[in-house]
Amino acid sequence: SQKIEQNSEALNIQEGKTATLTCNYTNYSPAYLQWYRQDPGRGPVFLLLIRENEKEKRKERLKVTFDTTLKQSLFHITASQPADSATYLCALEGGGFKTIFGAGTRLFVKA
Amino acid sequence: DGGITQSPKYLFRKEGQNVTLSCEQNLNHDAMYWYRQDPGQGLRLIYYSQIVNDFQKGDIAEGYSVSREKKESFPLTVTSAQKNPTAFYLCASSRTATGEYGYTFGSGTRLTVV
Repeated sequence: SQKIEQNSEALNIQEGKTATLTCNYTNYSPAYLQWYRQDPGRGPVFLLLIRENEKEKRKERLKVTFDTTLKQSLFHITASQPADSATYLCALEGGGFKTIFGAGTRLFVKA
Repeated sequence: DGGITQSPKYLFRKEGQNVTLSCEQNLNHDAMYWYRQDPGQGLRLIYYSQIVNDFQKGDIAEGYSVSREKKESFPLTVTSAQKNPTAFYLCASSRTATGEYGYTFGSGTRLTVV
């Protein structure tokens, strides 16, 4: 079955630095991969989707890469701000109208 | 503004009791989903519906039931058969059944067994 792994340890960075979060997957070749932001006690909010034929996608301060050979996606937040502090979820297309979600990585940006 | 409304935000259930979680969307999305979120785990799919009057079991459907009588509404009932119902429940919708344009989530319902 498909497995998706995100670093369970929280990432602590200083304001203004670039935050990089990792999503690794096994046993499948998804057609696309998504990233979401989730604040405590709230539902996830869709950020970006990248397809298997795309190497990189950008949206404002966000950048996502998708390496189908390494089976890995990297999520970057440049010029990070304390307001970027949240949990970030990776999700991949799991076939058969299903999407598999990772457990998320908590990001803390210190002022 | 379009979106998904879940209610209530907090719900307490007694042993042996059935409870129903509400989910309404005004996005005109065909597909709707129910997920369960537990600490340290990814979202797990309970049920999904691609169209009105049709729904399919997800990975952890036991002890849950749903209905899809209207496009806008997809309520979830947590029955007494669900032995460990304490969790954060999330309803979502998507423009297509594959979710390839992303999912819109509600704010969630936190269910606690007392």
